[in-house]
Amino acid sequence: AQSVTQLGSHVSVSEGALVLLRCNYSSSVPPYLFWYVQYPNQGLQLLLKYTSAATLVKGINGFEAEFKKSETSFHLTKPSAHMSDAAEYFCAVTDTGFQKLVFGTGTRLLVSP
Amino acid sequence: KAGVTQTPRYLIKTRGQQVTLSCSPISGHRSVSWYQQTPGQGLQFLFEYFSETQRNKGNFPGRFSGRQFSNSRSEMNVSTLELGDSALYLCASSFADPGETQYFGPGTRLLVL
Repeated sequence: AQSVTQLGSHVSVSEGALVLLRCNYSSSVPPYLFWYVQYPNQGLQLLLKYTSAATLVKGINGFEAEFKKSETSFHLTKPSAHMSDAAEYFCAVTDTGFQKLVFGTGTRLLVSP
Repeated sequence: KAGVTQTPRYLIKTRGQQVTLSCSPISGHRSVSWYQQTPGQGLQFLFEYFSETQRNKGNFPGRFSGRQFSNSRSEMNVSTLELGDSALYLCASSFADPGETQYFGPGTRLLVL
């Protein structure tokens, strides 16, 4: 079964600083990988999805993620943080052959002025 | 296109009662998945329905059940509620194939007293 590890339950950055949220997955076969964002009292919103078409995936709100098979990583980055980016971010992978998402434990991004 | 809708948004029940939650998928989506989100366990997959059939099931007791109707709308039921069932229940819809992006509703927040 797939698993996902997100390092750091909380990440704090200043407005305008680089955002880096880490995600590692366990698989020998590149799966489908996703990043979702959750704002307070809301559901999950898709940021981006890796489908093997390209290793660098661009998403909404200026976020992007790079798939690195050798490191089994799919870290999320944004060059310049905005106050509105403060939320919880989840990395997820589909379990092979199933329409089932396996989520990481989430990283709460705090953005200070 | 309308997003995934879930009703009710908030629910308070007492131990021993049962509850039914409803989910209407995005038009054209025939797969509906349910997830439970708690502070302690994070996001966990409950089950997935496609074409009125349960296609995949997570590791939850039999008190948790679901069904899907011919119009792809889905319900989940929890019988004999326990305090630990307090959670945000998220519904997601997608096209049928594994790896298709799942789009989430706002969730139903269940509090069991």
